[in-house]
Amino acid sequence: DARVTQTPRDKVTEMGQEVTMRCQPILGHNTVFWYRQTMMQGLELLAYFRNRAPLDDSGMPKDRFSAEMPDATLATLKIQPSEPRDSAVYFCASGFSGTDTQYFGPGTRLTVL
Amino acid sequence: AQTVTQSQPEMSVQEAETVTLSCTYDTSESDYYLFWYKQPPSRQMILVIRQEAYKQQNATENRFSVNFQKAAKSFSLKISDSQLGDAAMYFCAYRTLYTGANSKLTFGKGITLSVRP
Repeated sequence: DARVTQTPRDKVTEMGQEVTMRCQPILGHNTVFWYRQTMMQGLELLAYFRNRAPLDDSGMPKDRFSAEMPDATLATLKIQPSEPRDSAVYFCASGFSGTDTQYFGPGTRLTVL
Repeated sequence: AQTVTQSQPEMSVQEAETVTLSCTYDTSESDYYLFWYKQPPSRQMILVIRQEAYKQQNATENRFSVNFQKAAKSFSLKISDSQLGDAAMYFCAYRTLYTGANSKLTFGKGITLSVRP
């Protein structure tokens, strides 16, 4: 049963600390999406990769957020320094370009104190 | 830019009854995909059903079906024989037909469905 995995599941940190979230897409998928879910904004796209290349990161605050795919089995989202307004659930989703369906991981709930 | 609107924040249904969740969207494209995702308290986003805009036939998945009205830009989800496990937040989402930089999902704000035993 292929699934997208994300670590950590929950993260509590203090303002100013660096946070790294990891995602393992489904084997064979070549697209990876990072979404953020908050009560106020709902679900919004932060970044999108295809074949490990970033195609769209316009939703990401560039000064503190960065997203990478070091290899086809790992995507990372980093926040440095973190702020209380970054508190949210961060989802990773993967898919295969040419198809329409994205499969979501369980999310990382980030709390910045 | 595309937008998705779910105007009802909450709904409630009696177990074994039928409930319909509403969704409208706005787009200038003629071909696209529409989805309903379910998010239970576990937080996992689960795909419930998908619809290709170029198909006139409404999609059906067991107890879940959609009423897709392309001209009205309406995409409602009907849940028949509601079960306690259907209690969750439901999101309507839009995706362009074309791959590329615009392949993201655009989500509505979601609707919280509760099921009364």
